[in-house]
Amino acid sequence: DIQMTQSPSSLSASVGDRVTITCQASQDISNYLNWYQQKPGKAPKLLIYDASNLETGVPSRFSGSGSGTDFTFTISSLQPEDIATYYCQQYDNLPPFLFTFGPGTKVDIK
Amino acid sequence: QVQLVQSGAEVKKPGASVKVSCKASGYTFTSYDINWVRQATGQGLEWMGWMNPNSGNTGYAQKFQGRVTMTRNTSISTAYMELSSLRSEDTAVYYCARGIGYGRFDYWGQGTLVTVSS
Repeated sequence: DIQMTQSPSSLSASVGDRVTITCQASQDISNYLNWYQQKPGKAPKLLIYDASNLETGVPSRFSGSGSGTDFTFTISSLQPEDIATYYCQQYDNLPPFLFTFGPGTKVDIK
Repeated sequence: QVQLVQSGAEVKKPGASVKVSCKASGYTFTSYDINWVRQATGQGLEWMGWMNPNSGNTGYAQKFQGRVTMTRNTSISTAYMELSSLRSEDTAVYYCARGIGYGRFDYWGQGTLVTVSS
């Protein structure tokens, strides 16, 4: 199975700061990498798909990049409403088509 | 609008089984996979498996092989996830999510809390 690591596990930043989270896969996953935001008590929300595509309706301060095994998620200017846990998720495009989430990164305001 | 509405909270004893439903609306149910993801309190997201509502084909995470069964009733646009031989570690919120494109989950149910306690 493909394993996913994320760093940092948590971070604290000021409003307006640039925030970067990294995600690494244990093997090449091409660009089959998605990012989700989860607020307490809520279901996750898709932000970025296929490594770098912004989901419809998601603010442009969110972005993603990378391919192969190394990926980056960025919030260009942190806003108070961005306080949440962020997860990367990979998709294995070979049968039996399995998925794995990263362990998550908790983001809060300094 | 696309909606996934899940069944209500459950309390089960160790060793029992639980069956959670996920009713889809606002789109053609048989056109997109349904995935199941769980989250224990204070923990991360754990993918459990997928089901193709058109064919009934499934794929399960190795951890749940032999204990989980995903089915559907296309006449009522509803997917089901049944987990057997429950133990306390299975206490979690269980989500269904629509799979689209190359493995992204664009719509999620509201979650169903399953509590396993003697």
